[in-house]
Parts: sequence; C-alpha cells; structure tokens
Amino acid sequence: DVKVTQSSRYLVKRTGEKVFLECVQDMDHENMFWYRQDPGLGLRLIYFSYDVKMKEKGDIPEGYSVSREKKERFSLILESASTNQTSMYLCASSSMDRLNTEAFFGQGTRLTVV
Amino acid sequence: DQQVKQNSPSLSVQEGRISILNCDYTNSMFDYFLWYKKYPAEGPTFLISISSIKDKNEDGRFTVFLNKSAKHLSLHIVPSQPGDSAVYFCAASASPYSGAGSYQLTFGKGTKLSVIP
Repeated sequence: DVKVTQSSRYLVKRTGEKVFLECVQDMDHENMFWYRQDPGLGLRLIYFSYDVKMKEKGDIPEGYSVSREKKERFSLILESASTNQTSMYLCASSSMDRLNTEAFFGQGTRLTVV
Repeated sequence: DQQVKQNSPSLSVQEGRISILNCDYTNSMFDYFLWYKKYPAEGPTFLISISSIKDKNEDGRFTVFLNKSAKHLSLHIVPSQPGDSAVYFCAASASPYSGAGSYQLTFGKGTKLSVIP
C-alpha cells in the first residue's frame, strides 16, 4: 500500500515566517509533487520533481521553493509566508515505471498564515 | 486558460440513482485521464482512470467514458450512495513518450457531489 505522509495536518504561521512542509513517500516513486487546493480553484501544481535534486516549476511557483535531497522526501518551502498562502497543501508521488500512472496523495496540510 | 474544465461546481442526486459527472479538456496532447475523490480535510484518492486508446473503463459502480473527438469524459456512478458524497476531480496527463515530457497531472476545479438519502 502506497503511503504518502505529510508532516503536519494543521499549521498556523505568522506573516514573514519561513515555513517548511515535509512530505515522505515509502514506495520508491521517482516523481513527487506539491499542489495547493483552494475553493473554486481546484488543485494547482506548485512544483514537482522527477529525481533527486531535480525540480520543475508548476503553474504557481511564485513565493515557494522546494528541496529534494533524498528520493523519498520532498520539501516545500515558503520563503516568507504571506496571508495569500493560506491554503490546503497536498503532496503526491507517482512512479515512472509505466506510462501515465496515477499519483498518490498525502492527507494534506491546512496552513493558515496570520 | 483552463486545460481541464469541470463546468458543474455541484451536483445533487437521490440515493440509488445515477450520478454523471462531466469533464472537458482542451489539450490534445492529453492521453490519460483520471478521476479522484476527495473528502474534506483529506487528500484526494484515486478512483478510476482511462487511457486514450479506450472509450470506456468500468470498475464496480464506477464507469468512465471518453469521447476523444469531443474532448470530453464523464464519470458514471450507479447506484449512487450517500458515502459517494465528496468532491470529484477530473485530471489529465500527457504521456512523456508523446513528446510533452511531463508526468504532471492537470486538474479540473472539481464537482461537489451530494447524494441525498
């Protein structure tokens, strides 16, 4: 059973703080993703990574950075948190072993920036 | 510009009846389509998928239909159950072998399904 684990379910941070969201997967997946979900906007891709130390910008990378030092771990970093980054953050992973495979999601982190 | 569109934000269906959720896409490079189900405060869970070489895929109560010429897919749930009440996301991806070079999923905005007992 694929497991994608996000370090926190709920976080409250202050404006200007540096925020780290951690994600770990246990299925040896090559691909890892960070999405945010906002009401009426669906899931929007922030960044993804297809290998260790590799990263690609998604649709809304501004204000975020990522780190992938190990295959199983993908971190999302909010360099200076702002209130418009209050959102549900979802990490996902998928395999490259077959064409077009489904992504498996973590339980989500509800981040509130005050 | 939205590449994957779910034009109905919400849908209410009586228990036992059929639920039909629709999705349209614009990118002709998409060749793999998925449906995810999401409960509040949880991550999305994969439901069913379809490759562009097929026009139908069935898994129990869930069937996905793909009309490539119309760039349209739909998810049918029969019979609908109260536990099906959730937000359903349509997603699409392009095969890396198609030259698009990406494994990422592009999601629609979701349709909230309410199944009324």
